[in-house]
Amino acid sequence: GDSVTQMEGPVTLSEEAFLTINCTYTATGYPSLFWYVQYPGEGLQLLLKATKADDKGSNKGFEATYRKETTSFHLEKGSVQVSDSAVYFCALSSNAGNMLTFGGGTRLMVKP
Amino acid sequence: DAGVTQSPTHLIKTRGQQVTLRCSPKSGHDTVSWYQQALGQGPQFIFQYYEEEERQRGNFPDRFSGHQFPNYSSELNVNALLLGDSALYLCASSKGQLNTEAFFGQGTRLTVV
Repeated sequence: GDSVTQMEGPVTLSEEAFLTINCTYTATGYPSLFWYVQYPGEGLQLLLKATKADDKGSNKGFEATYRKETTSFHLEKGSVQVSDSAVYFCALSSNAGNMLTFGGGTRLMVKP
Repeated sequence: DAGVTQSPTHLIKTRGQQVTLRCSPKSGHDTVSWYQQALGQGPQFIFQYYEEEERQRGNFPDRFSGHQFPNYSSELNVNALLLGDSALYLCASSKGQLNTEAFFGQGTRLTVV
């Protein structure tokens, strides 16, 4: 079945540091890939998505490129802020409906 | 636009009891999915409702059931609660069953004691 594996956290960075959160997946066919963010006490917010190979999703300075050859969708940001502190989830959708399969989440802590 | 709203925000139940959680989708959305998020883990898909029918189901027992109303709102029912059912229950809505852009509510925190 489908699965998503992402790096375990927490990831602790200083403000303005470069961020990479690794995500790899296993799926049948050609899934759509997503990054969601969850701030403390809140639900999930869609951060970015990519629907086909080599697509780059981007939003709020975050980027991720759909790499079919390595089955990866790593999240990057050039300069993190304290306000980026949250839990980040990589997810995929590969069936005819829009059921999402999530990774375990990576907690990011950004210190001033 | 109120977005996806869920109620209640928190509740505490005793083992063996039954619980009903409610979800109102974002305006214009007709598809509702439910997810269970255990502490420190990613959400797991429970089921999806579209046109008042269950369309997809994850690996959850029959104790978990749901309903969708003509106004697209939805309920999640859990019978014979177990301690392991303690989790954050998230509702997500989308426009059309095949639309991959889902909007999530803030969730209902269920604690079973």
